[in-house]
Amino acid sequence: GQQVMQIPQYQHVQEGEDFTTYCNSSTTLSNIQWYKQRPGGHPVFLIQLVKSGEVKKQKRLTFQFGEAKKNSSLHITATQTTDVGTYFCAGAPSNTGKLIFGQGTTLQVKP
Amino acid sequence: NAGVTQTPKFQVLKTGQSMTLQCAQDMNHEYMSWYRQDPGMGLRLIHYSVGAGITDQGEVPNGYNVSRSTTEDFPLRLLSAAPSQTSVYFCASRHQGSTEAFFGQGTRLTVV
Repeated sequence: GQQVMQIPQYQHVQEGEDFTTYCNSSTTLSNIQWYKQRPGGHPVFLIQLVKSGEVKKQKRLTFQFGEAKKNSSLHITATQTTDVGTYFCAGAPSNTGKLIFGQGTTLQVKP
Repeated sequence: NAGVTQTPKFQVLKTGQSMTLQCAQDMNHEYMSWYRQDPGMGLRLIHYSVGAGITDQGEVPNGYNVSRSTTEDFPLRLLSAAPSQTSVYFCASRHQGSTEAFFGQGTRLTVV
């Protein structure tokens, strides 16, 4: 079945440093979503990417979808302590109700 | 709107006991899913449903049963709890034409 792999598993950065997490799928994705889960909380939807090569920005967050639609990345510029949490990518195989999540990247930010 | 409501928030079971985790949504979403979250494993799909009366298995279905008699409710049943089922369980729902999933607050289950 479809697998979505995410790296790194953990990342510790100093406040102000940049952060990137990468997501790779074993199959071509029709779209990809990114979610954020704060410690002790539940995943919350951030964004969806649909088009090949698409780039979207949300303030200090930049999301990219690969040209082959099999990989994606989330980049945070100048991290802040409010960025702490686990970031998940998720893919939905076409014509199913499934939403498959990557393992997540847990970000720790040292003030 | 309440969104996605899960009950209970916490539960401790003894090995072999059965229980049902409740999930209800008031957004008229067609799709509902159950995930378990374990350290280092991310969110793994247990079962999902694309509408009332329709369910299917996800990545880790063994030991769990589901049913979808109404659009609103999607309970998850553990027939005979095992320590390996100790986890945090999340229910999620979304519209058929959308990929944005809404999650409940989670149920932290411990099986001793």
